[in-house]
Amino acid sequence: NAGVTQTPKFQVLKTGQSMTLQCAQDMNHNSMYWYRQDPGMGLRLIYYSASEGTTDKGEVPNGYNVSRLNKREFSLRLESAAPSQTSVYFCACPLQGAGGYTFGSGTRLTVV
Amino acid sequence: GQQVMQIPQYQHVQEGEDFTTYCNSSTTLSNIQWYKQRPGGHPVFLIQLVKSGEVKKQKRLTFQFGEAKKNSSLHITATQTTDVGTYFCAAFLMEYGNKLVFGAGTILRVKS
Repeated sequence: NAGVTQTPKFQVLKTGQSMTLQCAQDMNHNSMYWYRQDPGMGLRLIYYSASEGTTDKGEVPNGYNVSRLNKREFSLRLESAAPSQTSVYFCACPLQGAGGYTFGSGTRLTVV
Repeated sequence: GQQVMQIPQYQHVQEGEDFTTYCNSSTTLSNIQWYKQRPGGHPVFLIQLVKSGEVKKQKRLTFQFGEAKKNSSLHITATQTTDVGTYFCAAFLMEYGNKLVFGAGTILRVKS
């Protein structure tokens, strides 16, 4: 998925540890999004960025912070990880002209 | 909670049988999108429907948007093992700042 790149692909954290999930897009799009996916819950929006330098809360922002470093990069930070943050995290940005979103390959995070 | 309701949660079919998943909202939608996620993969955009009563086809997949723009369906004719995965509907909802909100998804398993 060349449009949106996420790192790392897998991560195991201990409760209380911090980490940053990285996302970069090469589609030159203004908007970028962070979702989390849990079984039976679909994808829920954590934070989004409508343009460089702006960020806003989504449906489930508690426990997370974000940074829109530049137009390409949008990072998600867990300051003090909790087991409830065990999830698969996806970064996304709009597809050009098609109406939908393109997603990164995801980060599978386990907090023990 | 989920503002876009999707049913069934899970369906297991014999290869060659048809499959349908339904998406419903209590509010009128501006458009609706459908995504497919293979096991272990990321969501992939399939299609967007915009017009009332719109029907679109992609090979064996038929997508329909209701006349009142409150419901949608995805029908797969003669399922194949390659159809396995989770199918999500998604819509932009005003109560979420016009951001894309996903249904919980329908997991499709195909028995060969």
